[in-house]
Amino acid sequence: GEDVEQSLFLSVREGDSSVINCTYTDSSSTYLYWYKQEPGAGLQLLTYIFSNMDMKQDQRLTVLLNKKDKHLSLRIADTQTGDSAIYFCAEKGSSNTGKLIFGQGTTLQVKP
Amino acid sequence: DTEVTQTPKHLVMGMTNKKSLKCEQHMGHRAMYWYKQKAKKPPELMFVYSYEKLSINESVPSRFSPECPNSSLLNLHLHALQPEDSALYLCASSQDAHPSNNSPLHFGNGTRLTVT
Repeated sequence: GEDVEQSLFLSVREGDSSVINCTYTDSSSTYLYWYKQEPGAGLQLLTYIFSNMDMKQDQRLTVLLNKKDKHLSLRIADTQTGDSAIYFCAEKGSSNTGKLIFGQGTTLQVKP
Repeated sequence: DTEVTQTPKHLVMGMTNKKSLKCEQHMGHRAMYWYKQKAKKPPELMFVYSYEKLSINESVPSRFSPECPNSSLLNLHLHALQPEDSALYLCASSQDAHPSNNSPLHFGNGTRLTVT
């Protein structure tokens, strides 16, 4: 079945780059998404990438997609304390429902 | 600020109560969703409405009853809940629910529900 995996925790120093990794199993995925969830809030769409792309950059965010290895990463440049949150990767499954399959979420801790 | 508005922000209810969660969006989206999220876990899909018709019910117990009065509104009626139903209930909307379209979900900030 479809599965998405992420490491659970990442700690970085303010000003460093953060790289959050995600692997997925569905080779028919069309779109892959990154969401950010701050405490007490809903999920905020950060960025997405279409499966025929290998890179997308949006200000401090860079998404890399290795379709062969089914590996997705989110790089945050110049990480700030306001970036501390849980980051979920999600893929749009190949089933007719178009459901989003979420990873378990990576908690990013940014130390001053 | 999110463009999907959920009320109330917090709700405490007893196991015999009946209450409703409300969700509203004015982005012209035609698909709306209910998710349940436990602490430190990803959201779990409960229901999907597409063009005001229920298209997905993820085997949710009947004590949860969704309703979509029009394309902008989504309700979740709650009755005879259990303490294990305590969670953050998230509403989301998207342009449509077509599998091959890029229609990212836009989430509200959720209703924190506690069942006592």
